[in-house]
Amino acid sequence: EAQVTQNPRYLITVTGKKLTVTCSQNMNHEYMSWYRQDPGLGLRQIYYSMNVEVTDKGDVPEGYKVSRKEKRNFPLILESPSPNQTSLYFCASSGQGFSNQPQHFGDGTRLSIL
Amino acid sequence: GENVEQHPSTLSVQEGDSAVIKCTYSDSASNYFPWYKQELGKRPQLIIDIRSNVGEKKDQRIAVTLNKTAKHFSLHITETQPEDSAVYFCAALYSGGSYIPTFGRGTSLIVHP
Repeated sequence: EAQVTQNPRYLITVTGKKLTVTCSQNMNHEYMSWYRQDPGLGLRQIYYSMNVEVTDKGDVPEGYKVSRKEKRNFPLILESPSPNQTSLYFCASSGQGFSNQPQHFGDGTRLSIL
Repeated sequence: GENVEQHPSTLSVQEGDSAVIKCTYSDSASNYFPWYKQELGKRPQLIIDIRSNVGEKKDQRIAVTLNKTAKHFSLHITETQPEDSAVYFCAALYSGGSYIPTFGRGTSLIVHP
């Protein structure tokens, strides 16, 4: 089954404790991206990657890091999480011609930073 | 950069009525406009999309129209059903440049039985 898998689905942690949210897709998609979703603000892109070893900032990259060492994986790293990063996070992927192709979203990760 | 305004933020209709959600965009270079449906607690899922070389696209009870001159596009749902209740997001993207889609803030559609 074609899917985007995120882990964990839920995480409660404390300020300053490094965390990683994993994302994996099995559709051989070139393009992957991370979004955060906050009430009333819709979806905002954090980082995206057009292929292995190619990443770029989205609209709200501050406080986040990503890496793309393999085509299928695109982890999101919070080196020193802060309470304003409490949010619902979605990973997404698109195939070739990604700039005008629909994105496939994961199930989301709800992060709470205390 | 691109700015997408989506209206209304909440839409309440009776089952069987039609629902219309409108988005306006600012960057005339944007040429791809997807619509996503997000049910409570679930992921956004594409329901329909339109490219700038097309004025209208239909898929059963849903349709999207695009007016490039006025820079707006709309989602139309006919014969609404309770299972259409969800948050709907529009987005705009320029396929020849930035790969950062700009999303509207969402419309919460409530269909009353």
